[in-house]
Amino acid sequence: KAGVTQTPRYLIKTRGQQVTLSCSPISGHRSVSWYQQTPGQGLQFLFEYFSETQRNKGNFPGRFSGRQFSNSRSEMNVSTLELGDSALYLCASSPGPGTGELFFGEGSRLTVL
Amino acid sequence: GENVEQHPSTLSVQEGDSAVIKCTYSDSASNYFPWYKQELGKRPQLIIDIRSNVGEKKDQRIAVTLNKTAKHFSLHITETQPEDSAVYFCAPLRGQTGANNLFFGTGTRLTVIP
Repeated sequence: KAGVTQTPRYLIKTRGQQVTLSCSPISGHRSVSWYQQTPGQGLQFLFEYFSETQRNKGNFPGRFSGRQFSNSRSEMNVSTLELGDSALYLCASSPGPGTGELFFGEGSRLTVL
Repeated sequence: GENVEQHPSTLSVQEGDSAVIKCTYSDSASNYFPWYKQELGKRPQLIIDIRSNVGEKKDQRIAVTLNKTAKHFSLHITETQPEDSAVYFCAPLRGQTGANNLFFGTGTRLTVIP
């Protein structure tokens, strides 16, 4: 069974630009959540989607958004990038909401210059 | 939200010794208690978990113990090996929310010295 796939793996942007990251969950998994990982703040929850609906959102500004498609694939978007948005963005899939067991992708490493 | 603390933040042990990492949490409604391992440059991976109706769970060299009254759970690794070197995260979940918004601890960097 293929794991969680995230694209792109690495990207460099400049302040003010926007970025879209993609995540394909494990086949059969319908819940996708996103986390931001930085050395200073650790792993922080961004949001979770299930059946194309955002079920929960972390404490991030509105510049961070996401969506889920009918095939469970998910995208997250960050607009008006700031230097502090540089981080590893991890997507995790789960069979369903509230199960707790997360399967992480390798992440998308974003550098904002 | 959940307040999660891990101790210690770094831990060095000799190969073959045991390692224990403790996680304290604040939300008494938490009912799922996993531990994730993240090797350098790799994704976090679930290594063991426990639910609130169980006090201890063991899987070969690793075990997790839960004290719901005191609101803490611990990861135990016995007979440590160099490949156990990684950052370990606890991530209690409040299952009643029906969401997977885990609150990750700040991590414990374990170094196993050969």
